[in-house]
Amino acid sequence: GAVVSQHPSWVICKSGTSVKIECRSLDFQATTMFWYRQFPKQSLMLMATSNEGSKATYEQGVEKDKFLINHASLTLSTLTVTSAHPEDSSFYICSASGETSGRDTDTQYFGPGTRLTVL
Amino acid sequence: AQKVTQAQTEISVVEKEDVTLDCVYETRDTTYYLFWYKQPPSGELVFLIRRNSFDEQNEISGRYSWNFQKSTSSFNFTITASQVVDSAVYFCALSEPNNAGNMLTFGGGTRLMVKP
Repeated sequence: GAVVSQHPSWVICKSGTSVKIECRSLDFQATTMFWYRQFPKQSLMLMATSNEGSKATYEQGVEKDKFLINHASLTLSTLTVTSAHPEDSSFYICSASGETSGRDTDTQYFGPGTRLTVL
Repeated sequence: AQKVTQAQTEISVVEKEDVTLDCVYETRDTTYYLFWYKQPPSGELVFLIRRNSFDEQNEISGRYSWNFQKSTSSFNFTITASQVVDSAVYFCALSEPNNAGNMLTFGGGTRLMVKP
């Protein structure tokens, strides 16, 4: 099965609403989780890094009040896009790294991504 | 600052051809990791390989092989006897263990199209 899951896999919402995306590590404890954004035919852009139990570290240019990240447990991180607008439409991907039997602790394992469309 | 360059944005081959995807990196650290990920049309990034900077041995896994050359700061990826299922975007990435959480720096990706 997948090492990292994301939910939902796709979401369509109206402008002004908030959307929550969940990222779960299924067979290991993720001490660090990352959130990326990817536009069509482009590479991944890191939005923020979160460590369990502490505040996320956001990359330059990413609004922390708009993209709320919570990493409350070693297996779950959430990204909430608040007051979404059409320009927030994108593919959001999470990844996780941490201690796990048989897997590199220094490797990020990625979720399947969430495609957000804001109308 | 670290940087990863994948000069080939798109490659198109016919099935059964061999293809090499280039990756060149820049870093000031002597300790670092290099990765290759595959992103098929479904979108999920699939981990292919991790290589640390002290291990220059080439690796082969089935039809995949990787050539790590520190002298030229390159970590190239070769697919032998390509198949249609290999069609995807391939990303090379670099991380430095001293970064918080082993943050990755990605290359721009190479879109590989394998035609039947």
